[in-house]
Amino acid sequence: EDQVTQSPEALRLQEGESSSLNCSYTVSGLRGLFWYRQDPGKGPEFLFTLYSAGEEKEKERLKATLTKKESFLHITAPKPEDSATYLCAVQASPGTASKLTFGTGTRLQVTL
Amino acid sequence: DAGITQSPRHKVTETGTPVTLRCHQTENHRYMYWYRQDPGHGLRLIHYSYGVKDTDKGEVSDGYSVSRSKTEDFLLTLESATSSQTSVYFCAIRKTSGANTGELFFGEGSRLTVL
Repeated sequence: EDQVTQSPEALRLQEGESSSLNCSYTVSGLRGLFWYRQDPGKGPEFLFTLYSAGEEKEKERLKATLTKKESFLHITAPKPEDSATYLCAVQASPGTASKLTFGTGTRLQVTL
Repeated sequence: DAGITQSPRHKVTETGTPVTLRCHQTENHRYMYWYRQDPGHGLRLIHYSYGVKDTDKGEVSDGYSVSRSKTEDFLLTLESATSSQTSVYFCAIRKTSGANTGELFFGEGSRLTVL
């Protein structure tokens, strides 16, 4: 059974205080690992896909990395608008239906 | 904008009544999904569709049925709603054109309360 564990559950940072969110996974053959951002009352918003260990993706203050057992979402010099819940999901292979298994998320709050 | 519209966005109903949630897409994507999101559980797949009249079950399909008679519409039906089905329901599509082949794009959600 595929499993995704995210830590910490919640994180409070001051503006400019860099940190990392963790996503540990157990999957029978990783087809892709996905990061999403979710604002309160909204649907998840796609951020990144990582396909193989060693891969990195960046977008503004966010950088996602992948190893064989976990992924990190690094947040550099965060701003209050980065406050959201960040979700990690995996897609196992084989299969082409993109059925994703999600973690429960990390709720990030960035204060002034 | 993922081009997905969910309706209704909010609904309160009573135990035992039937409920249908609608997901409409404007871009003719083949794959569509229904997830539910509950505190402590994350997003869990209910059903998905890989084409008109082609559907399959996800991990939490008991008590739910789906239909897809047109490419653009994917309906989720609770035949007899129970309090355990109180949740936020998200529809998603999979865009397969270009470089993105596995990512799902989500609608805004439908909040259902079963009293």
